[in-house]
Amino acid sequence: EVQLVESGGGLIQPGGSLRLSCAASGFIVSSNYMSWVRQAPGKGLEWVSVIYSGGSTYYADSVKGRFTISRDNSKNTLYLQMNSLRAEDTAVYYCARDPGGHDFGAFDIWGQGTMVTVSS
Amino acid sequence: SYELTQPPSVSVSPGQTARIICSGDALPKQYAHWYQQKPGQAPVAVIYKDSERPSGISERFSGSSSGTTVTLTISGVQAEDEADYYCQSADNNGTYVFGTGTKVTVL
Repeated sequence: EVQLVESGGGLIQPGGSLRLSCAASGFIVSSNYMSWVRQAPGKGLEWVSVIYSGGSTYYADSVKGRFTISRDNSKNTLYLQMNSLRAEDTAVYYCARDPGGHDFGAFDIWGQGTMVTVSS
Repeated sequence: SYELTQPPSVSVSPGQTARIICSGDALPKQYAHWYQQKPGQAPVAVIYKDSERPSGISERFSGSSSGTTVTLTISGVQAEDEADYYCQSADNNGTYVFGTGTKVTVL
């Protein structure tokens, strides 16, 4: 079965760090464009970051310089390292797959999400 | 990156047609996609590339494009269609963008 399972969320103080994981099954993470998308409580979807199959990475301006996306091919897992966390980073974080890259640009598989709460 | 604008809400009676418009300056050059999200659940794609319906999605969902707008149409609306809907596109600079979201209420 093709699926994504996120983990690593929790309660963290402002200024702290957290690493989210997204374990994939049924497909190869490194052959796809993989993104993180977040949703603050009661708000809309916000794209956060992507890692291309070739390894290039891109970030939303709101997280640039603080978040780092990466993957471990041996574990078929996607990561999001979040540093200098702020209250406005509080959200459910989803990982999602774009199977077609530039020729597609959409997300066909989503994880169930992991909640990150930044609060003192 | 650019913005995609949607109406905050659309209300429709069962059996009627709901239309959700998404506007963005880059839409003439980029595909748009649509997602349905129900409370507490991850989004699910209902339309890809302006008008293609993914496998398993009801034929009641259709999409169209014209200039700087794309439209999601839900025909014969059912109670189960009550959800939030988001348009989404990607640019050539490596980034993706979501629309502001529309809450569809079935009266």
